[in-house]
Amino acid sequence: KAGVTQTPRYLIKTRGQQVTLSCSPISGHRSVSWYQQTPGQGLQFLFEYFSETQRNKGNFPGRFSGRQFSNSRSEMNVSTLELGDSALYLCASSLGIHQETQYFGPGTRLLVL
Amino acid sequence: QKEVEQDPGPLSVPEGAIVSLNCTYSNSAFQYFMWYRQYSRKGPELLMYTYSSGNKEDGRFTAQVDKSSKYISLFIRDSQPSDSATYLCAMSARGNYGQNFVFGPGTRLSVLP
Repeated sequence: KAGVTQTPRYLIKTRGQQVTLSCSPISGHRSVSWYQQTPGQGLQFLFEYFSETQRNKGNFPGRFSGRQFSNSRSEMNVSTLELGDSALYLCASSLGIHQETQYFGPGTRLLVL
Repeated sequence: QKEVEQDPGPLSVPEGAIVSLNCTYSNSAFQYFMWYRQYSRKGPELLMYTYSSGNKEDGRFTAQVDKSSKYISLFIRDSQPSDSATYLCAMSARGNYGQNFVFGPGTRLSVLP
């Protein structure tokens, strides 16, 4: 069974631009969560989607948004990029919203200049 | 106090050593406890997960959970250079809208040949 896939793997943007990242969960998984990972803050929860609905949200500004499609694929968008948004963005999938384990993709490394 | 604390490392051990990685937490609602291994520039890979207190063994890896002390550990026996990675502890509790996951900051382990 294929794992979680994320595209693109690397991205370079400049301040003020916007970016869209994509995640395809493991086949059959319906829950997708997004995390931001930085050396200083570690893994921080952004939001979780299940059945095309945002179920849970972390403490990030409104510039960070996401959505989930009917095939469970998910996208996250960051508008008006700031230098501090440079990070590894990880997507994790699980079977449902009350599953005990999550499986991560390889991440998208975003660099904001 | 952070919700999950982890030995900061980095930790360097010789090949064949027994490694002990530890996390403490403050939220007694956590029920599920996980260990992830993350190689450089990759996403976290689920190593083990346990429910409530007790031990779980998988090959060279043993996970221990002591809910009364709010303390979890991962032991690696006969450590190998391929075990060199960052190890993240994670825990979750059922919330109103799904499973809430919290990650430790990670411990970087180097196993020297």
